[in-house]
Amino acid sequence: DAGVIQSPRHEVTEMGQEVTLRCKPISGHNSLFWYRQTMMRGLELLIYFNNNVPIDDSGMPEDRFSAKMPNASFSTLKIQPSEPRDSAVYFCASSFRGRESSYNEQFFGPGTRLTVL
Amino acid sequence: GEDVEQSLFLSVREGDSSVINCTYTDSSSTYLYWYKQEPGAGLQLLTYIFSNMDMKQDQRLTVLLNKKDKHLSLRIADTQTGDSAIYFCAETRNTGGFKTIFGAGTRLFVKA
Repeated sequence: DAGVIQSPRHEVTEMGQEVTLRCKPISGHNSLFWYRQTMMRGLELLIYFNNNVPIDDSGMPEDRFSAKMPNASFSTLKIQPSEPRDSAVYFCASSFRGRESSYNEQFFGPGTRLTVL
Repeated sequence: GEDVEQSLFLSVREGDSSVINCTYTDSSSTYLYWYKQEPGAGLQLLTYIFSNMDMKQDQRLTVLLNKKDKHLSLRIADTQTGDSAIYFCAETRNTGGFKTIFGAGTRLFVKA
């Protein structure tokens, strides 16, 4: 398996533009997570899905952020309109969560480095 | 991270042991993990421990868990320059569902 795939790897955009980040989880995984990492705030969980359904979006900063998972092999995180403070590295991770176990090893993608000018 | 605390930096000399500490607050934690993040990459699981264990050893890595004090540590023996990275402590807690919480990460610097 190729692991978790994220695109683009780097994105530079201007304030006010729409940004869409993409993620392909590992085949067979049933949970998907979006994180944001900055020096100031560390690693923040934005939202996670289980079986394509959003379970916890309490980390989504505000209405400018939205995430979708239309099927088990694809998810998007959209920022509209983008602002300079959204500049960060955005990670997607996936895992397999069995019913009987709480063990949850997450496999991270390489991240998308977003710069909003 | 939410109630998972780690010191931000640690500097050691090559060949010495490194000890990275973590404290957590939720007694419902089931699994605790150490992840490693190398520059420009995502996090990768290094090791984990189940909450009913107090120690786990894996080659140069030793994980100690003190459940009474809610303290987790990662010891890296014979630290090498390739061990320079950010190390994240994480816990899965039973919140009615299961949620994994990450600490802020400890940046390990290894001096040659």
